[in-house]
Amino acid sequence: NAGVTQTPKFQVLKTGQSMTLQCAQDMNHNSMYWYRQDPGMGLRLIYYSASEGTTDKGEVPNGYNVSRLNKREFSLRLESAAPSQTSVYFCASSERALVAGHSYNEQFFGPGTRLTVL
Amino acid sequence: QKEVEQNSGPLSVPEGAIASLNCTYSDRVSQSFFWYRQYSGKSPELIMSIYSNGDKEDGRFTAQLNKASQYVSLLIRDSQPSDSATYLCAVNTGRRALTFGSGTRLQVQP
Repeated sequence: NAGVTQTPKFQVLKTGQSMTLQCAQDMNHNSMYWYRQDPGMGLRLIYYSASEGTTDKGEVPNGYNVSRLNKREFSLRLESAAPSQTSVYFCASSERALVAGHSYNEQFFGPGTRLTVL
Repeated sequence: QKEVEQNSGPLSVPEGAIASLNCTYSDRVSQSFFWYRQYSGKSPELIMSIYSNGDKEDGRFTAQLNKASQYVSLLIRDSQPSDSATYLCAVNTGRRALTFGSGTRLQVQP
């Protein structure tokens, strides 16, 4: 049971290049997320997918696109990379659960992709 | 005002002491609250979740929630050097995604 996996672990791009970050989960979760983490700014949501076939914008979607390929996989694409997209990217997944009358949504994170755009 | 606020620290405590980490949030409809631990260069790891007012204990960790005052805290008893990390507070307001604070860096001195 690998949990959430991400590839690649590290990537260096030149301005204007494109690339796709891959994420997969084996926990049978319906919801998946892409976050970026910058120093002093915490985690910010880029896009999320509540279920297979749906995607929604988060707090910082500009410059990114996503694809929910199937229930397991959720990819993030940078069409034309910019230095401002230098960051650490985390994928997460969750499944809504009901405990003692409370609906909650614990998220589990992948190991991250460290991206540098020159 | 940020939606979720944490003191960035570093919070320095001696080994064996109690570390107290605090978090305030602005959205009164927030429903569930989470604490993640993040070691340098690693991904966030869920350590506690809490949904009801009061305390929730799990081993050396206690999460405390006060919805009227809009704060949530994490106590770490018998702090160990291995607890040195950044602790992220996260809040769910009913939407699918979480809103994170920027984290508090904890240093446990041997």
